[in-house]
Amino acid sequence: GENVEQHPSTLSVQEGDSAVIKCTYSDSASNYFPWYKQELGKGPQLIIDIRSNVGEKKDQRIAVTLNKTAKHFSLHITETQPEDSAVYFCAPPDFNKFYFGSGTKLNVKP
Amino acid sequence: DSGVTQTPKHLITATGQRVTLRCSPRSGDLSVYWYQQSLDQGLQFLIQYYNGEERAKGNILERFSAQQFPDLHSELNLSSLELGDSALYFCASSPTGPSYNEQFFGPGTRLTVL
Repeated sequence: GENVEQHPSTLSVQEGDSAVIKCTYSDSASNYFPWYKQELGKGPQLIIDIRSNVGEKKDQRIAVTLNKTAKHFSLHITETQPEDSAVYFCAPPDFNKFYFGSGTKLNVKP
Repeated sequence: DSGVTQTPKHLITATGQRVTLRCSPRSGDLSVYWYQQSLDQGLQFLIQYYNGEERAKGNILERFSAQQFPDLHSELNLSSLELGDSALYFCASSPTGPSYNEQFFGPGTRLTVL
């Protein structure tokens, strides 16, 4: 997207390891920070989101951390499993426009 | 199943032709969004409608147009098709107006222009 940078573009980890994906945005007015997972042949699906009044949110093996000062937020997946293999997108809205990050292809090796 | 339906699933057509993609949002959702995803590419936001009115425009070509009908379903019209228009087209919906809400994506329509 125009105002969103996502890194890395590909990530390969061993099953059980952790994975971290970072998203940098430019619109300081953003207050909603979602992460989507897209499995092969399917539409993206929200896996976790955070609002700007919170610094961290966890949901089982998935967590999102937000640093508003540095304008970045990160997706953390712990104890990765083969079914975590997918493409992950961040998508902070920019005043009604939705610029998805370029995506991170995560491969979890059994 | 997200509750968003898209038809058709696949569409094969020739350059210069015109096609219409259809999307039915989740029951009760007022906002509909259209995205284009080319091979191994990210999602490009095209346009958003809220309760029948255009709300936001992204990187939508002039050859493309969309509308949302009173029953809230939406159609994306692609005309004068070019080879580069071959892509997956996703529709998404959300409960309320702009931003700050989860978007529920449909399964997509795969368009192939020959």
